Amino acid sequence: SQKIEQNSEALNIQEGKTATLTCNYTNYSPAYLQWYRQDPGRGPVFLLLIRENEKEKRKERLKVTFDTTLKQSLFHITASQPADSATYLCALRAGSQGNLIFGKGTKLSVKP
Amino acid sequence: DAGVIQSPRHEVTEMGQEVTLRCKPISGHDYLFWYRQTMMRGLELLIYFNNNVPIDDSGMPEDRFSAKMPNASFSTLKIQPSEPRDSAVYFCASSLGLAVDEQFFGPGTRLTVL
Repeated sequence: SQKIEQNSEALNIQEGKTATLTCNYTNYSPAYLQWYRQDPGRGPVFLLLIRENEKEKRKERLKVTFDTTLKQSLFHITASQPADSATYLCALRAGSQGNLIFGKGTKLSVKP
Repeated sequence: DAGVIQSPRHEVTEMGQEVTLRCKPISGHDYLFWYRQTMMRGLELLIYFNNNVPIDDSGMPEDRFSAKMPNASFSTLKIQPSEPRDSAVYFCASSLGLAVDEQFFGPGTRLTVL
């Protein structure tokens, strides 16, 4: 069956460290993958998109990798700050006209 | 633009009552999506529209759920009759296109069915 899994429900790290979140999928061949941030009581907000032919994408302190062989995407936040505390969702589109399928998210807590 | 607007933000109702959730997408966006989010199941797509036409409603849990989009600036999601298991946060989102375009989410409606 098709699955998209984010490796942990919660991740706690110290301010200044790099946070690494994992998104694994099975039985999909996505053309691209997206990452969203969700704060409590709010809707998800788009952060980054990475295509299948891109190995890495960066935006300020954020970096996303996409390994179609491992069927995995890694989401990194460098020099993490307490303001980065939120739930991060990965989402993939199964085919060019498919719907976005979301993982359940990883709740990141950055302690000062 | 004010972003995607949803109302009400919170709804508490009793089992068996009809519930109507409302959404105003971002002007110019051709796609509108309704999602449901729970701790157990995460964020699930219920239905989406393209140019006001329902394209895929395979995520609608059962006949008690219905959605309409009478024009480009308004959509409703109706549950009749409501049940306690419908308690969740319901999000509306819109996007310019379907392929690479990001989705813009509204603030959600937290529904509690007693």
